[in-house]
Amino acid sequence: NAGVTQTPKFRVLKTGQSMTLLCAQDMNHEYMYWYRQDPGMGLRLIHYSVGEGTTAKGEVPDGYNVSRLKKQNFLLGLESAAPSQTSVYFCASSYHPAGGFQETQYFGPGTRLLVL
Amino acid sequence: KQEVTQIPAALSVPEGENLVLNCSFTDSAIYNLQWFRQDPGKGLTSLLLIQSSQREQTSGRLNASLDKSSGRSTLYIAASQPGDSATYLCAVDGNQFYFGTGTSLTVIP
Repeated sequence: NAGVTQTPKFRVLKTGQSMTLLCAQDMNHEYMYWYRQDPGMGLRLIHYSVGEGTTAKGEVPDGYNVSRLKKQNFLLGLESAAPSQTSVYFCASSYHPAGGFQETQYFGPGTRLLVL
Repeated sequence: KQEVTQIPAALSVPEGENLVLNCSFTDSAIYNLQWFRQDPGKGLTSLLLIQSSQREQTSGRLNASLDKSSGRSTLYIAASQPGDSATYLCAVDGNQFYFGTGTSLTVIP
């Protein structure tokens, strides 16, 4: 079991460039999340998905788009990168049994993004 | 909007000491509260999850409590070890997940 994996690990972009961050999980989890972590701000939820083909906005969705075409993958896209999007991005997944409480989130190792 | 606060922001203790980390939240309408550990340059590892109907959870030397009505949770670490040095984050699950900014713990050998 690889758990939650993220690619790439590190990327440098110029302002205006686009890129896609890939998150993959092999635990058959329904729920997946994208967070960004900034000094002094903690982790903030960007977008999340409660199942294949569904996505929803989190606390800070502006400037990002997401897609969940396959259950195991959750993609985060930056169409036109800005310096304010310099951050560490974490993906997470969790199991949510029908009619039951959500279980713990499992996090990937993170992607460090620098936008110049 | 839910606000999650963790106090203190940093803590340094000698090895073997028992310690308590604090987490407070403003909206008591939560499904659960989780405590995570984050090592430098790494992702988060879940330590304990407390459902809203529970009062505490224990795992080894860790004990987490939840008082929903007062909007507080504590993480108790017994007999601290240098390997416990990390940042500890709490997160509450309401309509969305909200994280605190963490407590950076250093255990001095």
